[in-house]
Amino acid sequence: GAVVSQHPSWVICKSGTSVKIECRSLDFQATTMFWYRQFPKQSLMLMATSNEGSKATYEQGVEKDKFLINHASLTLSTLTVTSAHPEDSSFYICSATPLGNYEQYFGPGTRLTVT
Amino acid sequence: EDQVTQSPEALRLQEGESSSLNCSYTVSGLRGLFWYRQDPGKGPEFLFTLYSAGEEKEKERLKATLTKKESFLHITAPKPEDSATYLCAVRPGSQGNLIFGKGTKLSVKP
Repeated sequence: GAVVSQHPSWVICKSGTSVKIECRSLDFQATTMFWYRQFPKQSLMLMATSNEGSKATYEQGVEKDKFLINHASLTLSTLTVTSAHPEDSSFYICSATPLGNYEQYFGPGTRLTVT
Repeated sequence: EDQVTQSPEALRLQEGESSSLNCSYTVSGLRGLFWYRQDPGKGPEFLFTLYSAGEEKEKERLKATLTKKESFLHITAPKPEDSATYLCAVRPGSQGNLIFGKGTKLSVKP
């Protein structure tokens, strides 16, 4: 149980285009979903926290107009990287917390490369 | 300020050589300490949650313990397939998100 999926697993896009990443909790409902990014050989950095039906809370330094988060249901959150630039290339990972639980379960990650 | 420090940064062991990874933390109102395993190019895999000092949990060759200031992940007789980066994270009482340490990269040689 507690499986989180992400789609796509990897994506290459051109500078200036937008990319959408989906995060789904497959066998549980998630009150909260989190989005992280991870640079090579570094730990996870929280970008934003999203709750179903409400606006996401962004960490300091994360541009909310660039990284759009939509948490449409208790099993789906999306991250859209708008007007992507090469410096946005990174490994993006989502996580989800089941209802009434403190534990976070992570997706497999999405590798974004902006050329 | 809530903070998590893991040591060592990297650890090389021979197969069968037991050892421990350390996670020191300062947090206001701990609502859980979490251990994850992360393989290259993949998302973290949940291992354990510990909630109170004195608590211990085991899974195969891994055992996690918790005190008021730190947690240890003991690896008994490791195998090469245990090679990975092990991440420690805490959940402060005032927040829903986790604060991660930088991880310990474990390499187990046959």
